[in-house]
Amino acid sequence: AQKITQTQPGMFVQEKEAVTLDCTYDTSDQSYGLFWYKQPSSGEMIFLIYQGSYDEQNATEGRYSLNFQKARKSANLVISASQLGDSAMYFCATDKTQGAQKLVFGQGTRLTINP
Amino acid sequence: DAEITQSPRHKITETGRQVTLACHQTWNHNNMFWYRQDLGHGLRLIHYSYGVQDTNKGEVSDGYSVSRSNTEDLPLTLESAASSQTSVYFCASSDTGELFFGEGSRLTVL
Repeated sequence: AQKITQTQPGMFVQEKEAVTLDCTYDTSDQSYGLFWYKQPSSGEMIFLIYQGSYDEQNATEGRYSLNFQKARKSANLVISASQLGDSAMYFCATDKTQGAQKLVFGQGTRLTINP
Repeated sequence: DAEITQSPRHKITETGRQVTLACHQTWNHNNMFWYRQDLGHGLRLIHYSYGVQDTNKGEVSDGYSVSRSNTEDLPLTLESAASSQTSVYFCASSDTGELFFGEGSRLTVL
């Protein structure tokens, strides 16, 4: 069974600094996907970025990038030039890419951006 | 715009009562999911469906049921609500790509 571990319950970062949110995964599948979601205080789940296990290049979406290290089973989210609006819970998740988005989530990291 | 909506957004009920949370999506997605979110556990899958008349149990399905009679709707029923089912419930849908979440339904069981 797949498992996601997010070891940072909370992080505090100064505005404009880059921040890395850790995520390690455990799966025996050869084909899988890795996802990051943001949950602001309003409660909605916002999709940020996706990486497939066979993708050779790290995924990027604007200020978000996914540092994918397959041998270490690591899929860290990097946010460049953090903004106050980045303060939120962040969840890492995984699923089989051949499946239909049946995600397994980590416990989340609460990120606080200080002005 | 296509969307996914949940109702009610907030509900308080008593132990033992039957509760149904509605989920409606207008994307015509085949895949629909119900998750619950609790502190310290992230989101956990309750039930999911890959199409009409298809339903499957997820990680935490005990005490919950779903039915899929059309593409748009996947109602979640708590047959006899328990205090342990106090949680925030998220419905989601997808086709082959991104998973789209509803805004969540906060259920309190007293």
